[in-house]
Amino acid sequence: AQSVTQLDSQVPVFEEAPVELRCNYSSSVSVYLFWYVQYPNQGLQLLLKYLSGSTLVKGINGFEAEFNKSQTSFHLRKPSVHISDTAEYFCAVTPGGGSEKLVFGKGTKLTVNP
Amino acid sequence: GAGVSQSPSNKVTEKGKDVELRCDPISGHTALYWYRQRLGQGLEFLIYFQGNSAPDKSGLPSDRFSAERTGESVSTLTIQRTQQEDSAVYLCASRGQGYQPQHFGDGTRLSIL
Repeated sequence: AQSVTQLDSQVPVFEEAPVELRCNYSSSVSVYLFWYVQYPNQGLQLLLKYLSGSTLVKGINGFEAEFNKSQTSFHLRKPSVHISDTAEYFCAVTPGGGSEKLVFGKGTKLTVNP
Repeated sequence: GAGVSQSPSNKVTEKGKDVELRCDPISGHTALYWYRQRLGQGLEFLIYFQGNSAPDKSGLPSDRFSAERTGESVSTLTIQRTQQEDSAVYLCASRGQGYQPQHFGDGTRLSIL
């Protein structure tokens, strides 16, 4: 079965520092990849998605992610974080093969400190 | 336009009671999903509706869980004889035609006493 691994459950950083949130998935077939952000007591908001084409995907709020098929990774990056980026970030994949559901990682809690 | 709307936002009930959660998808979205998010966990897929096709129920954890959707409108998720392990946030998402991302509601936080 498809699985998504977010290697870091918590990532503390200082404001204006760069950050990378790691995501690896298990699949031998083509997949669609997503990063979602969840602010406290809210639903999930789409940050960015990879469907096909360029492996570097730019999203909202200055985030970007790079799809690496050989390493089955889809790491999320931001060159300079803000306090307002403090939230939980979820990597997700659709398994392909006609399956419509999203398979989520367990999330990474990003805390940006002043 | 309006996003995915879920009600109630919070529900506290006693063990053994039945609960019904509601989801209003974005107008025109043909696909609707339910997920469960336990504390400190990612989201678990529960069920998926696409138009008039038979729903994908592969994620429902037990026969106490069921969901309905009439056409491309409102969906209800029902949990019968609730147990404490049912405590979670239940999230609904909808998706438009073609390959579009899922749009999520703010969820219903369910607490079983």
